[in-house]
Amino acid sequence: GEDVEQSLFLSVREGDSSVINCTYTDSSSTYLYWYKQEPGAGLQLLTYIFSNMDMKQDQRLTVLLNKKDKHLSLRIADTQTGDSAIYFCAESLSGNTPLVFGKGTRLSVIA
Amino acid sequence: GAVVSQHPSRVICKSGTSVKIECRSLDFQATTMFWYRQFPKQSLMLMATSNEGSKATYEQGVEKDKFLINHASLTLSTLTVTSAHPEDSSFYICSVPRTGGNTIYFGEGSWLTVV
Repeated sequence: GEDVEQSLFLSVREGDSSVINCTYTDSSSTYLYWYKQEPGAGLQLLTYIFSNMDMKQDQRLTVLLNKKDKHLSLRIADTQTGDSAIYFCAESLSGNTPLVFGKGTRLSVIA
Repeated sequence: GAVVSQHPSRVICKSGTSVKIECRSLDFQATTMFWYRQFPKQSLMLMATSNEGSKATYEQGVEKDKFLINHASLTLSTLTVTSAHPEDSSFYICSVPRTGGNTIYFGEGSWLTVV
């Protein structure tokens, strides 16, 4: 079945770049997402990328997709303490099918 | 503004009681809605697919008699946790795909605590 894997923890210093990695197994995945969840809060969609793209940049966020290796990464430039949260990678077969989530990466930003 | 509204955002209930969570699409009609559950420090897992006018489709391991899903209109799906137990305490969240489109929207989520 579909599976999405992420490392569980990442710690970076304020001002450095953070890179969160994700691998997925379903080569049919068309949409790949990054969500942010702060403690006690819901999901915030950060960005998404279509499988026919290699890269997407949105302000401090850069998403890289290696479709051959089924590897997705999220780079946060100039990481701030407010970026501390859990980041979920997710994939779906289309824009109206359920998402399969990874376990989430807990990002800790050290001042 | 919000496209999908979920209510209540937080609820505390006693063991043995039932709790209803609502998911509404505000800007468009939705024939399908998805319900997820997130246990503490875990990922989000799909529980069931809510289908307007027909029975919900449940994922393996999810008790359909315990988690009642009703999708009575094109803008509203409800999840009722029946005879709640402390182990049902979780974060429940719905997502709604725009019918005919390629965008999916999440509700704000509902934090359920059973005491």
